[in-house]
Amino acid sequence: EPEVTQTPSHQVTQMGQEVILRCVPISNHLYFYWYRQILGQKVEFLVSFYNNEISEKSEIFDDQFSVERPDGSNFTLKIRSTKLEDSAMYFCASSFDTRDGYTFGSGTRLTVV
Amino acid sequence: AQRVTQPEKLLSVFKGAPVELKCNYSYSGSPELFWYVQYSRQRLQLLLRHFSRESIKGFTADLNKGETSFHLKKPFAQEEDSAMYYCALIRANSKLTFGKGITLSVRP
Repeated sequence: EPEVTQTPSHQVTQMGQEVILRCVPISNHLYFYWYRQILGQKVEFLVSFYNNEISEKSEIFDDQFSVERPDGSNFTLKIRSTKLEDSAMYFCASSFDTRDGYTFGSGTRLTVV
Repeated sequence: AQRVTQPEKLLSVFKGAPVELKCNYSYSGSPELFWYVQYSRQRLQLLLRHFSRESIKGFTADLNKGETSFHLKKPFAQEEDSAMYYCALIRANSKLTFGKGITLSVRP
């Protein structure tokens, strides 16, 4: 069964540093998403991406965040200047059609120190 | 605005007991509802979607528009059902919104 792949599985970074989280969605999917889950809290929507542009974003997704699909296969989330409160599990997801539900990756655990 | 409410954080049952994980939603349109499961240290996996009316791993969920509920049920719990369960909703052309999740613990 096709999978969404995320790398790295765990990243530790210093406050103020830039991080890039990488995702390879399922190849024929058209919609791409990033979610995050702070330890002990609910899974929160960050951003959705369709047709090479952001289709929706949450309040969390401020100017420090950006997404890119640089080469038709990868889908990246960049945090320009990390803060302690950015520490969370970040999940990438993709879907062919929203009615099918999303396929999630295994996540990247980001720890900001 | 859409909202998904899972009123309980934890449900602990013995093996073989029935399970009902509650989910209520608020959305003015026609919702598309899902249940996701997250086993320990694994990814979120789609368990059920309401419009397919399927049963996966013995779990079923019926959309009750009158009560705005989409409770997940299983008549006889198994130890391997222990996991975190999330109810989620999609509104037209928008994102998947999750509830806070419930931990199901099935004891031997």
